[in-house]
Amino acid sequence: GAVVSQHPSRVICKSGTSVKIECRSLDFQATTMFWYRQFPKQSLMLMATSNEGSKATYEQGVEKDKFLINHASLTLSTLTVTSAHPEDSSFYICSARDRRLSSGNTIYFGEGSWLTVV
Amino acid sequence: AQSVTQLGSHVSVSEGALVLLRCNYSSSVPPYLFWYVQYPNQGLQLLLKYTTGATLVKGINGFEAEFKKSETSFHLTKPSAHMSDAAEYFCAVSGDTGRRALTFGSGTRLQVQP
Repeated sequence: GAVVSQHPSRVICKSGTSVKIECRSLDFQATTMFWYRQFPKQSLMLMATSNEGSKATYEQGVEKDKFLINHASLTLSTLTVTSAHPEDSSFYICSARDRRLSSGNTIYFGEGSWLTVV
Repeated sequence: AQSVTQLGSHVSVSEGALVLLRCNYSSSVPPYLFWYVQYPNQGLQLLLKYTTGATLVKGINGFEAEFKKSETSFHLTKPSAHMSDAAEYFCAVSGDTGRRALTFGSGTRLQVQP
């Protein structure tokens, strides 16, 4: 079946540095991907919608200059956390919609990426 | 606008007992409804989804859910719990499978006692 892959699964970075998380759809093309953030023992909060070939759409309260999203191809979206601070430590999850008729528009989620800023 | 309410942040059942996880939604358009499971430190796995058609939806691992429009509910059930069912379960709604992201409930942690 369709798979969405995230990399890295875990990353530790120093405060003030930037870190990039990749989200790939492995066997389907995704014109739209979504980035979520999940704090421990909480639900997923949508951060932004990543659109291939155009600017991402950010949810209210999400700093677009801090969380840079690039959707350069139909199978890859990246989230870059710039000038990371300890409060950015979280679990980041991406998802992609498989729009092929055979999949019934199923949304697949990546495995998630743990970011720890020290 | 859509929202999801999951009643009960924690549910504990005995192995072999019925599992019932509650989900109520609010949507200004016909909803598409989903249940996902999340195991510790992992991403989300789709259990089942309702888009149109039959209101009783069967998913993986023996789970099923029934869409009740009159009650705006989409409760998740499983006749007999297994230890391996212990996880976090999320109900989600989308008003448009074409473009929009999912709106998630707060999640319900299922514990299965031996």
